[in-house]
Amino acid sequence: QLQLVESGGGLVEPGGSLRLSCAASGFMLSDSYMSWLRQAPGKGLEWLSFISNSGTYSEYADSVKGRFTISRDNAKNTLYLQMDSLRGEDTAVYFCARDPTGVAITGRFEMWGRGTLVTVSS
Amino acid sequence: QSALTQPASVSGSPGQSITITCTGTSNDIGTYNYVSWYQQHADKGPKLIIHDVRSRPSGVSHRFSGSKSGDTASLTISGLQAEDEAQYYCCSYTTRSTLVFGGGTKVTVL
Repeated sequence: QLQLVESGGGLVEPGGSLRLSCAASGFMLSDSYMSWLRQAPGKGLEWLSFISNSGTYSEYADSVKGRFTISRDNAKNTLYLQMDSLRGEDTAVYFCARDPTGVAITGRFEMWGRGTLVTVSS
Repeated sequence: QSALTQPASVSGSPGQSITITCTGTSNDIGTYNYVSWYQQHADKGPKLIIHDVRSRPSGVSHRFSGSKSGDTASLTISGLQAEDEAQYYCCSYTTRSTLVFGGGTKVTVL
């Protein structure tokens, strides 16, 4: 069964850190560019970051650049998002998503995880 | 990275056609044909309904169609049905090699 499953969310204090994981099953993560996106409560979708299939190239949204780091372990078929210097406005459900083209990021997210909730609060 | 501009809400009666616009700039929609659309029902995850401006993934109804003119992309829903009531988001690749979403449009079936 093809699926993505996020984990690692939870409650963290402002200024704290959290690492999210996204485990892929039913397909090889190395075939795809992968992204992290989020959705704050009652708000719209926000793209955060992507990483190339080899892991050598990544980009970030301005809102998280310098604070978040995307990485992947293709051997473990897992994607990660290291989140540092967290703020209240980072409170959201975080999704990982697969762009199946394999050669670029296009916004064609055909597969999404169910999301993991991150709450930043003291 | 300014968000793409979508109307907050669009409504229509069953059987009608509605169009949702998504306005960007020459830094995103105006330059690339990497425009996608997502449908999100309440308390559900997003579902891809259009990619590459006008392509439909397998299993998506033919009632959904996409187009682009200049800096504006559009999603048309034909033969509106009750199940189409949802939030819709557009997304585009940008000249900064990033992606940007629109703020979302709530579709109401009257």
